Amino acid sequence: GESVGLHLPTLSVQEGDNSIINCAYSNSASDYFIWYKQESGKGPQFIIDIRSNMDKRQGQRVTVLLNKTVKHLSLQIAATQPGDSAVYFCAEINAGNMLTFGGGTRLMVKP
Amino acid sequence: DAGVIQSPRHEVTEMGQEVTLRCKPISGHNSLFWYRQTMMRGLELLIYFNNNVPIDDSGMPEDRFSAKMPNASFSTLKIQPSEPRDSAVYFCASSFVPSGTDTQYFGPGTRLTVL
Repeated sequence: GESVGLHLPTLSVQEGDNSIINCAYSNSASDYFIWYKQESGKGPQFIIDIRSNMDKRQGQRVTVLLNKTVKHLSLQIAATQPGDSAVYFCAEINAGNMLTFGGGTRLMVKP
Repeated sequence: DAGVIQSPRHEVTEMGQEVTLRCKPISGHNSLFWYRQTMMRGLELLIYFNNNVPIDDSGMPEDRFSAKMPNASFSTLKIQPSEPRDSAVYFCASSFVPSGTDTQYFGPGTRLTVL
């Protein structure tokens, strides 16, 4: 099922390599950020979050880095697997406490 | 927990017809969100409820769209009359934080096609 656009930036990696997905956010007042993973035909799935008082947070095989100076987020996936193939969205809490989603990056993992 | 439940999963209708999308949030969650996802615009927030009360509906495209949450376990998004440009995937999400700012859990979505 379709759920995302055809013109997303795409990152293609070899299975087993590390992946880095980047995101620029717009609101310097945002204090909470989330990475979501969306597989075809499914809703976005929470991966990891980070508060603005942190610059790094680690989960299982994933790490999120936050650089508030340049308003940049990144998601690092270690030892990328075919099951990681999906579209990844960053989201920020903006004014009014609403989530605003970035445009998404498509990750393709080559076996 | 079954997660957020949405129905129907797919809806095909003709222009001018009324469409009703349904959502059951995760039990215990007190915030509910309706989103629309299209190729052109990505994920857009339409409306969100906190404790069954609509807090922000500024994302609702026009008067043809309406949403209700009669109780903590059920919400509807209605489009009347529907138009081809309403074709999209509609997601419902829920969360539990007093301010509604914390992690949102998404349902599987309803793919709407208006002919």
